[in-house]
Amino acid sequence: DAGITQSPRHKVTETGTPVTLRCHQTENHRYMYWYRQDPGHGLRLIHYSYGVKDTDKGEVSDGYSVSRSKTEDFLLTLESATSSQTSVYFCAISGQLVGYTFGSGTRLTVV
Amino acid sequence: AQSVTQLDSQVPVFEEAPVELRCNYSSSVSVYLFWYVQYPNQGLQLLLKYLSGSTLVESINGFEAEFNKSQTSFHLRKPSVHISDTAEYFCAVSGTNYGGSQGNLIFGKGTKLSVKP
Repeated sequence: DAGITQSPRHKVTETGTPVTLRCHQTENHRYMYWYRQDPGHGLRLIHYSYGVKDTDKGEVSDGYSVSRSKTEDFLLTLESATSSQTSVYFCAISGQLVGYTFGSGTRLTVV
Repeated sequence: AQSVTQLDSQVPVFEEAPVELRCNYSSSVSVYLFWYVQYPNQGLQLLLKYLSGSTLVESINGFEAEFNKSQTSFHLRKPSVHISDTAEYFCAVSGTNYGGSQGNLIFGKGTKLSVKP
């Protein structure tokens, strides 16, 4: 989607390895979010950020950490990937009165 | 905290039939409500939203949803579906207080709409 990009789009990694997903925005929005999507569960919030260096946990934060050193970048790290973290990960941004915009997603497979 | 329940995980219908996808929410604060659509192997697209004003909101492709505060519902309807409407539909809620955890967007588990010829 315009103004928000995720990288990589696809990744296969081995159990136990660290993985970092990147979300980049050009909209200068304050709020950024990481969700994971799994069949039968919809989208669940992992972590969110309300400003540079300000982050908080969502519903399913165990095994994940985030960092936001610049307004435009929000990184999601799987500290030691497990098969249960195989999922599609979506980043989103939001600004007051403009609603939410979602990235195209990252498909992560942990083998 | 908010939560969303989508009452049907799958809805099969025939082309040109009407359809209703049900969504109920719970919240201790005032809410904004959304419907998103996800076509196979694609990302999320905003279908329609209720922020304030008229409780009946419409999308450009014929869907509509009505905010019913007393029943805490935001059901999605279309009077005549097409094959191209086959997709997964997600209802979502956020608090109206921008900022803070209650402003986060919370999703239901999704309803797969399958339109058959």
